[in-house]
Amino acid sequence: DAGVIQSPRHEVTEMGQEVTLRCKPISGHNSLFWYRQTMMRGLELLIYFNNNVPIDDSGMPEDRFSAKMPNASFSTLKIQPSEPRDSAVYFCASSAGGDTQYFGPGTRLTVL
Amino acid sequence: GQNIDQPTEMTATEGAIVQINCTYQTSGFNGLFWYQQHAGEAPTFLSYNVLDGLEEKGRFSSFLSRSKGYSYLLLKELQMKDSASYLCAVMLPNRLAFGKGNQVVVIP
Repeated sequence: DAGVIQSPRHEVTEMGQEVTLRCKPISGHNSLFWYRQTMMRGLELLIYFNNNVPIDDSGMPEDRFSAKMPNASFSTLKIQPSEPRDSAVYFCASSAGGDTQYFGPGTRLTVL
Repeated sequence: GQNIDQPTEMTATEGAIVQINCTYQTSGFNGLFWYQQHAGEAPTFLSYNVLDGLEEKGRFSSFLSRSKGYSYLLLKELQMKDSASYLCAVMLPNRLAFGKGNQVVVIP
């Protein structure tokens, strides 16, 4: 069984550039979550979707961040323009009916 | 707001027992999860408690007291591979709120 798939695994970009992170949830899971993890703030929920619909985006730091889920098997998190303080590991997780969440391997983002 | 507290780091010897505590004050509670996260890797599910008491799963056990807003994860017969961060997470309506994690270092 494939777990949650994320790409890219590493991204290095310059300040001001657009960054797009991708996630494929576990097949059959109807909830998808985007998290950001830093040493200072730990693991923070950015946004989550239920049945492809955004339910809670209160964790999205500002308008530079946007997320979409066009279908049940794909989601994107976009940062435009990126800033050095966005450097973090971004995790995608999925669950079936709000149960245990299973995390992808993460994308390590570095903004120079 | 949500407040989930864990000690930041502890060191223990291989073969020993270690207890990792978590206290929480949250608006809503639907259960408590423990996750293990090795350096550079994703969090992986360890246990879930929704009722008071102890849940045992091999070398790992998790305890919950809802009235005290308290949980602990007990790791027995510590192995070097148990060196990791252990995150507790409270299930709120439709989302998880994570603590910052407790880094456990196992030494020979």
